[in-house]
Amino acid sequence: AQSVTQLGSHVSVSEGALVLLRCNYSSSVPPYLFWYVQYPNQGLQLLLKYTSAATLVKGINGFEAEFKKSETSFHLTKPSAHMSDAAEYFCAVTIIIQGAQKLVFGQGTRLTINP
Amino acid sequence: KAGVTQTPRYLIKTRGQQVTLSCSPISGHRSVSWYQQTPGQGLQFLFEYFSETQRNKGNFPGRFSGRQFSNSRSEMNVSTLELGDSALYLCASSFTGTSYNEQFFGPGTRLTVL
Repeated sequence: AQSVTQLGSHVSVSEGALVLLRCNYSSSVPPYLFWYVQYPNQGLQLLLKYTSAATLVKGINGFEAEFKKSETSFHLTKPSAHMSDAAEYFCAVTIIIQGAQKLVFGQGTRLTINP
Repeated sequence: KAGVTQTPRYLIKTRGQQVTLSCSPISGHRSVSWYQQTPGQGLQFLFEYFSETQRNKGNFPGRFSGRQFSNSRSEMNVSTLELGDSALYLCASSFTGTSYNEQFFGPGTRLTVL
């Protein structure tokens, strides 16, 4: 069964430092993978998605993720953290049942940015 | 283009009551999915509707039900509320609900059961 595991429920970095949020997936078929961000009291916003077109995916707000099949990983990175990046981040994989999409989410990683 | 809207944004109910939450998808989107978000269980899939038909259902008790109207708006109903139903309920819409279609999320309805 398809699933995702996010390593680290909390990550703290200094402003200007590299952000690395880890996600490993389990899938018996080529997956569609997503990273979403959730700011306090808001819904989820898509950061980027992998749909097999390119292994390095660029998203919004300077984030990018690299799909590595050999490592079954889809880690999210940003070269330089900004205070506004403080939020919760979710990795998700698509499951298709009877032609319909269902997103399976990881447990989330709360990112804190230290000034 | 207006985003996904959910009403109400906040709701307080007592155990045993029932509640109906509403979701209006992005114009042109025909697929609506519902998710429950709690600190303990994270984000869990409830069900998905497409063209007024439920295509997919998560592992929730029958107290959780939903429907979709011809204009793609969707409602979710929870009967006989329990304390554990307190959560943020998120609605997401997409064009067709297929794997490569991005799901756009609404701001959620925060339900508190006392």
